[in-house]
Amino acid sequence: DAGVTQSPTHLIKTRGQQVTLRCSPISGHKSVSWYQQVLGQGPQFIFQYYEKEERGRGNFPDRFSARQFPNYSSELNVNALLLGDSALYLCASSLGTANEQFFGPGTRLTVL
Amino acid sequence: GENVEQHPSTLSVQEGDSAVIKCTYSDSASNYFPWYKQELGKRPQLIIDIRSNVGEKKDQRIAVTLNKTAKHFSLHITETQPEDSAVYFCADGRGSTLGRLYFGRGTQLTVWP
Repeated sequence: DAGVTQSPTHLIKTRGQQVTLRCSPISGHKSVSWYQQVLGQGPQFIFQYYEKEERGRGNFPDRFSARQFPNYSSELNVNALLLGDSALYLCASSLGTANEQFFGPGTRLTVL
Repeated sequence: GENVEQHPSTLSVQEGDSAVIKCTYSDSASNYFPWYKQELGKRPQLIIDIRSNVGEKKDQRIAVTLNKTAKHFSLHITETQPEDSAVYFCADGRGSTLGRLYFGRGTQLTVWP
């Protein structure tokens, strides 16, 4: 059984650019959540999607957006990148909204 | 705030000793409390969790206790081994959905052989 997968593994962008990160959940999982983990801190909740609908949004600016596709995979988009957006972006999947979450390996984003 | 308070930030123990990490939450509606282990450069891995209708849960050398009245929960690792060395995060699954986890700042556990 494949776990949660994310792509790309690493990404380097410059300020002002846009980035798209991708996540494939565990087979059968319908919920995907996105987290930002800055070095030395715990993951911070960004979005949750369930059955292709946004179910929750954390305290992040409108530059952050996401969507979930019919196959339950998800994309996180960040526009107008800032230096402070440099972080590990983690995707987590769960069966439903009330189940255990399992994390992917993350995408390491560096903004120069 | 939304974050969970986690202590200590670093913890060093001798192999074979026990380790305890404590977290405090603020929302009485919180009903799910997972613990994740994150090794350097790797993804957080769920090691144990507890729901609000249970006071304690054990899985081999790992146990979690929950005190709803005091709004705190703790991770207990017994007979620690060097491979237990990692950053441990507690989280608070708030309200009616578990899709949002609010994490503590983490505890760097080092187990010396």
